[in-house]
Amino acid sequence: QQQVKQSPQSLIVQKGGIPIINCAYENTAFDYFPWYQQFPGKGPALLIAIRPDVSEKKEGRFTISFNKSAKQFSLHIMDSQPGDSATYFCAALGGETSGSRLTFGEGTQLTVNP
Amino acid sequence: DAGVIQSPRHEVTEMGQEVTLRCKPISGHNSLFWYRQTMMRGLELLIYFNNNVPIDDSGMPEDRFSAKMPNASFSTLKIQPSEPRDSAVYFCASSTRFLGLAGGDRTDTQYFGPGTRLTVL
Repeated sequence: QQQVKQSPQSLIVQKGGIPIINCAYENTAFDYFPWYQQFPGKGPALLIAIRPDVSEKKEGRFTISFNKSAKQFSLHIMDSQPGDSATYFCAALGGETSGSRLTFGEGTQLTVNP
Repeated sequence: DAGVIQSPRHEVTEMGQEVTLRCKPISGHNSLFWYRQTMMRGLELLIYFNNNVPIDDSGMPEDRFSAKMPNASFSTLKIQPSEPRDSAVYFCASSTRFLGLAGGDRTDTQYFGPGTRLTVL
C-alpha cells in the first residue's frame, strides 16, 4: 500500500516532443506528490510538486496532472529539450500521521534526441 | 547557501572494512534523511531524523548499518563491516519540518546532496 508505481521505465523522444511519465499509488493518505529530476552523478532535485486539492499544476514547461479518483498523477514536459535528458522520479508523502517518509517511484530514464 | 554537503564523494574499500559517510544538512533544516540508490532497488530511505532524533530506521538493512546525528549540522552513516552488496550511491537529504494543518509533523521539499559513491571490493 506504500508503493508508488511509475511508468515507463525509459522513454525516448525527439526534441520538441511531449514526454509523459505516469505514476499510480494506493495509499489514500498520501497528500503531497513531488517530482524529482536527477542528472548523472548528481542527487535528485525537486522539479515540481502538487497537492491533491488541485488537478493540474504548471511551472514553465513542466506540468503535473492529478487524478485523485484514479489515484494517478503524471508529468508532462512541453517542448522537450536535450537538456531535459535525465531520470525522473515521482514520489508521494503520507498524511499528517504518516511522518516524513517520501515513497519514490522506480524512476524513468528520459532521453531527448536533438 | 551551499546546499547539502556530503563527503567523501567517492569511496573504494575492501570487504570487511569500516566505512563512514558524512553529511552536513542545509542550515536551518531540522529533518535529515539517508537514502541508498542502486539500479536494482532504486531509491531507498534508510533512516531519517527530526531535530537530531532518529524517527524511522526501518529501512536500515541490518545491524552493520548505523547512523548518528550528534548535532543539527552533522550526521554520519557507518557501515561495519562493509560487504560488496553495500556498493551503491548514498544520498543525504534535508528539509524543514513544520506542523501540518491537523497538528501533525510534516515535511515537504527534501533537498538532496550530491551523494557518495561507495564501492566495496
